[in-house]
Amino acid sequence: DAKTTQPNSMESNEEEPVHLPCNHSTISGTDYIHWYRQLPSQGPEYVIHGLTSNVNNRMASLAIAEDRKSSTLILHRATLRDAAVYYCILDGATSGTYKYIFGTGTRLKVLA
Amino acid sequence: AAGVIQSPRHLIKEKRETATLKCYPIPRHDTVYWYQQGPGQDPQFLISFYEKMQSDKGSIPDRFSAQQFSDYHSELNMSSLELGDSALYFCASSPRGTSGSLNEQYFGPGTRLTVT
Repeated sequence: DAKTTQPNSMESNEEEPVHLPCNHSTISGTDYIHWYRQLPSQGPEYVIHGLTSNVNNRMASLAIAEDRKSSTLILHRATLRDAAVYYCILDGATSGTYKYIFGTGTRLKVLA
Repeated sequence: AAGVIQSPRHLIKEKRETATLKCYPIPRHDTVYWYQQGPGQDPQFLISFYEKMQSDKGSIPDRFSAQQFSDYHSELNMSSLELGDSALYFCASSPRGTSGSLNEQYFGPGTRLTVT
């Protein structure tokens, strides 16, 4: 299973952009890159996903490196409600399995 | 929109007892996943089902078993409970799709199991 590496924690000021990096150097050719976040005592929540091109949705943007060995989740204006653990996960579609392997994730702290 | 339903939300059991956790996926979702999250830990994949057949298996103890029924709901059966089984158990569902290239999983609120 391809693994991801993320910083353990990051801090951001409210209303400022946040860039959350993820390394996935062993990504397979057709693995999708998913980002989820988990608020305290809640189940993980889908944020965004992508394959090769950068992606935008109402929650965030996903920038994917040209070699696909890394990606960055971008929150354009962090709010206190964005404080959560953010997980970068590779979809094992190429191996025929669809389980999510959660890494340690990045705990984002948003300062008022 | 309908979400994944898990029951019970909280469960307290004693050591060596059994427990059954239930998961009701989002309508028209045919794939169910179970994850275990211990205190201060990240979610760990246990097992998954697609169209009522086991599709993948992770670090699920032999004391645990699971199945998916004809209405696509799933149950996780846990026997001979140990203190270390105390955790949040999440169920997720997804529509498998034809190519399998998109596997967005929708997580339920979890069942908090406490073993005393």
